[in-house]
Amino acid sequence: AQTVTQSQPEMSVQEAETVTLSCTYDTSESNYYLFWYKQPPSRQMILVIRQEAYKQQNATENRFSVNFQKAAKSFSLKISDSQLGDTAMYFCAFANFGNEKLTFGTGTRLTIIP
Amino acid sequence: SQTIHQWPATLVQPVGSPLSLECTVEGTSNPNLYWYRQAAGRGLQLLFYSIGIDQISSEVPQNLSASRPQDRQFILSSKKLLLSDSGFYLCAWRWTDYTEAFFGQGTRLTVV
Repeated sequence: AQTVTQSQPEMSVQEAETVTLSCTYDTSESNYYLFWYKQPPSRQMILVIRQEAYKQQNATENRFSVNFQKAAKSFSLKISDSQLGDTAMYFCAFANFGNEKLTFGTGTRLTIIP
Repeated sequence: SQTIHQWPATLVQPVGSPLSLECTVEGTSNPNLYWYRQAAGRGLQLLFYSIGIDQISSEVPQNLSASRPQDRQFILSSKKLLLSDSGFYLCAWRWTDYTEAFFGQGTRLTVV
């Protein structure tokens, strides 16, 4: 069974600093997809970034980037120049190629301190 | 463009009462549909997913059930609610197995 683990229930960082959220997953497959979602206080789920396992290059979206370590089954999210609007729950998610199941981790509550 | 509607937004139900949460997607056909429950400290728990009408997979054997009477409609039901059914329920859809999921606004269910 595929599992996703986020070992940091809560984190806080000063505004403008950089923060890294951890995510590990377990799979025996070689082709899969990874996602980071943000859930602000409004509770609307928003896609932050996605990574295809067959791509060696780490995905980036503006201030958000990932460190994808396939051998270690690790998929961390780095937020640079953090802003107050980054305060949210962040979920890591995993999906195997050819499998419709999309599995989420338990989330990390991130607070940006002014 | 595609939109997803989920209702009601909030619901307070007594223990033992039935439940019906509805989700519909517009602007696409044959989407993969999902029901998740979010409880404190447990992240997003996948309850059901569906790749087509009458094709529903259950991840959590509880007193909940799901149905897909139409291509873009997904319903979460219970015959008798338990206190432990309280939580935030999210419906989502995806185009395929390798695309991201798009979520509804969620339903906060409180069982009293």
